[in-house]
Amino acid sequence: DQQVKQNSPSLSVQEGRISILNCDYTNSMFDYFLWYKKYPAEGPTFLISISSIKDKNEDGRFTVFLNKSAKHLSLHIVPSQPGDSAVYFCAASGRNGNQGGKLIFGQGTELSVKP
Amino acid sequence: GAVVSQHPSRVICKSGTSVKIECRSLDFQATTMFWYRQFPKQSLMLMATSNEGSKATYEQGVEKDKFLINHASLTLSTLTVTSAHPEDSSFYICSALGGGFSPLHFGNGTRLTVT
Repeated sequence: DQQVKQNSPSLSVQEGRISILNCDYTNSMFDYFLWYKKYPAEGPTFLISISSIKDKNEDGRFTVFLNKSAKHLSLHIVPSQPGDSAVYFCAASGRNGNQGGKLIFGQGTELSVKP
Repeated sequence: GAVVSQHPSRVICKSGTSVKIECRSLDFQATTMFWYRQFPKQSLMLMATSNEGSKATYEQGVEKDKFLINHASLTLSTLTVTSAHPEDSSFYICSALGGGFSPLHFGNGTRLTVT
């Protein structure tokens, strides 16, 4: 049972345009959501997070939007840069933030930003 | 920032042998460490949760006798893959959680190939 889903395995965007990565979840107990970026043969790197008490969190070029009623979140990257090309994982946890740190990951979306 | 070091980054072993992977938190004390496994093009799957000084908690379907976890100190956890088989070939990633409300920090992973 995939509790966190990223339905687009890949996304290709032109440099300078907006990249929108989507994530859906099924467990209403999740209250903390994170996006990680991953290069091949490396561990994930934390990008940005959002608590369920918010609907938007922004950090530089990265903005995460949360729609609790739809159980949907998205990561916007603008402007997109070639260095953003990587696999992006959405992750969720429950119980006051970290559920002891136990994260449930989506399948990942491979973003390719073309110069 | 927080750093998690994982060693080795790559290991090739023969079927039937055992392999130990180390995960260290370099600048913080990790109350909890997690071990994930990733197959190509798939999500990171949590294998087990490791708390310092106590037995690890394994996720459903993960054989605790095959994947031995030791968390002997607040900065070191080890995963030993015992009697490795080719189907154990995968990318293993550890993560560490310090105190408080903070995102997980991941090691760079270990690519295990069992021949």
